[in-house]
Amino acid sequence: DSGVTQTPKHLITATGQRVTLRCSPRSGDLSVYWYQQSLDQGLQFLIQYYNGEERAKGNILERFSAQQFPDLHSELNLSSLELGDSALYFCASSVDDNPRYEQYFGPGTRLTVT
Amino acid sequence: GNSVTQMEGPVTLSEEAFLTINCTYTATGYPSLFWYVQYPGEGLQLLLKATKADDKGSNKGFEATYRKETTSFHLEKGSVQVSDSAVYFCALSPQSGGSYIPTFGRGTSLIVHP
Repeated sequence: DSGVTQTPKHLITATGQRVTLRCSPRSGDLSVYWYQQSLDQGLQFLIQYYNGEERAKGNILERFSAQQFPDLHSELNLSSLELGDSALYFCASSVDDNPRYEQYFGPGTRLTVT
Repeated sequence: GNSVTQMEGPVTLSEEAFLTINCTYTATGYPSLFWYVQYPGEGLQLLLKATKADDKGSNKGFEATYRKETTSFHLEKGSVQVSDSAVYFCALSPQSGGSYIPTFGRGTSLIVHP
């Protein structure tokens, strides 16, 4: 158990819908990373937050957004969903904003768009 | 931009065989290098890391040496077990240039037969 929790574990929704994925980092970690894992694209970095502020942005679509709240949990919002958004979404947390530090990954949320 | 290239899998071995999974990278400066492992149905977890040239990371019998001259970080284990069956990801984190975006390889699946 990494100490990072993600909810829900599974999510099935239809195209065009909007969903919210939630992540609670390990106690004491200030940085949260979001990743998308799909068979054809591998593990893609989406976005990073550190202590409530956006720190780095990767291959995140404009239909996707995220935020980190004062209690340090984070939410990833996916809207106007397409079939191609079906994937595993992981969050990871780290003590610092520098990715040189180890990242602790949650168990992931499996999103299926039908 | 930064990139990580891993050998394509699956790698299929018999128990007690020697394992090598190749990883090469492209990055400016001196990134930190990582190997993560993902067991079925779980998130990634750090296996080992190295933060400067010629460093050797090791854990659970796995080793990898940071080779700046060949920009490589190959993962090795002298005698694999069935329980090592998993997907292995090589990753890098930049140390400079203002970019905090971590980069992961596509993963290499390892299957160990009894």
